[in-house]
Amino acid sequence: EAGVVQSPRYKIIEKKQPVAFWCNPISGHNTLYWYRQNLGQGPELLIRYENEEAVDDSQLPKDRFSAERLKGVDSTLKIQPAELGDSAVYLCASSPWGGAGTEAFFGQGTRLTVV
Amino acid sequence: GQQVMQIPQYQHVQEGEDFTTYCNSSTTLSNIQWYKQRPGGHPVFLIQLVKSGEVKKQKRLTFQFGEAKKNSSLHITATQTTDVGTYFCAGTGNQFYFGTGTSLTVIP
Repeated sequence: EAGVVQSPRYKIIEKKQPVAFWCNPISGHNTLYWYRQNLGQGPELLIRYENEEAVDDSQLPKDRFSAERLKGVDSTLKIQPAELGDSAVYLCASSPWGGAGTEAFFGQGTRLTVV
Repeated sequence: GQQVMQIPQYQHVQEGEDFTTYCNSSTTLSNIQWYKQRPGGHPVFLIQLVKSGEVKKQKRLTFQFGEAKKNSSLHITATQTTDVGTYFCAGTGNQFYFGTGTSLTVIP
């Protein structure tokens, strides 16, 4: 069974430029998460989708970050414009459902460097 | 707000020694999960604990959920070089939060 697929694996951009990350969750998983992980820290939830609905985006910096999950499958996370402090690993995860304590399966992540 | 802290932040052990990481939440948790992240890798689910005082074992790993459901621990017996990585707890309180992680180095 294929796991969570993310692309690109690495991205280097100049500040103020836009960037987008793509995630394909495990087939059949209704819940999709985007996390940001800074070096030496735990993952921080940015947004959680149940199918195509964003049910928790309280920690998403909405002034520059946006996300979508059209048709409730693939998802994209966008930053526009990027800032130096956005350098981090962006992890996508999925789970069969979003109930409390559901096991999340993580993708390999996209390492973003903003210069 | 809810916070999940882990101690220690770093731990170096000789191969064969035991290792323990502690997870403490500022709020009561309905459940707690543990994940392992190898260097350069992504978090991988290890286990979930739900009941107060629950203890679960996976080979050399022992997981415990505190009676008050505000803390948890992971104990590894006789560490091996394959145990290297960062161990995160993640708990559900008013929201789902990952802990700060404990980075384990095993010296052969």
